[in-house]
Amino acid sequence: GENVEQHPSTLSVQEGDSAVIKCTYSDSASNYFPWYKQELGKGPQLIIDIRSNVGEKKDQRIAVTLNKTAKHFSLHITETQPEDSAVYFCAARENNNDMRFGAGTRLTVKP
Amino acid sequence: NAGVTQTPKFQVLKTGQSMTLQCAQDMNHEYMSWYRQDPGMGLRLIHYSVGAGITDQGEVPNGYNVSRSTTEDFPLRLLSAAPSQTSVYFCASSYRGGGYTFGSGTRLTVV
Repeated sequence: GENVEQHPSTLSVQEGDSAVIKCTYSDSASNYFPWYKQELGKGPQLIIDIRSNVGEKKDQRIAVTLNKTAKHFSLHITETQPEDSAVYFCAARENNNDMRFGAGTRLTVKP
Repeated sequence: NAGVTQTPKFQVLKTGQSMTLQCAQDMNHEYMSWYRQDPGMGLRLIHYSVGAGITDQGEVPNGYNVSRSTTEDFPLRLLSAAPSQTSVYFCASSYRGGGYTFGSGTRLTVV
């Protein structure tokens, strides 16, 4: 089955700096790669996703890149704000198969 | 749309008791799944369903049963609760190959 690894497990940045979280996956058949943000006491929320036919996708301060050859994808957050502090999860999925998640990254943005 | 609704939000069980965690979605999603979230271990898949009448096991299915008699509902049953099942449980749903919408979670403590 699919195995997703996520790094780093914790990340601390100053407000205004950029943050990058990286994930690798094992199953070359995976074709959908979402990113979730989880705030304390809440369920994960989808913030951005990318499909295997696209190399990069951007939504305001958030961008995701995908390298299919190397089987890795990354989340980039620019101009970080304190409200970006949360746990972020990457995931990988092939069509209707089950989705596998990374172990999560706890991002802290210091004012 | 209410999205994904989970009940109860909190539950304390004694070892050996059984209970059902309820999950309902109103988005006509084919795919539903249950995850447990433990500190430092991310989201682990318990069971999933690709449609009414179809269920399958995930990574950690032991001690749990599911059924999918309708598109909307996907209850998770704990047969004989054990302290190792203390966790936060999330239900999620999606259309085929898409991103999940998560419920707000059930925090379960087994004493």
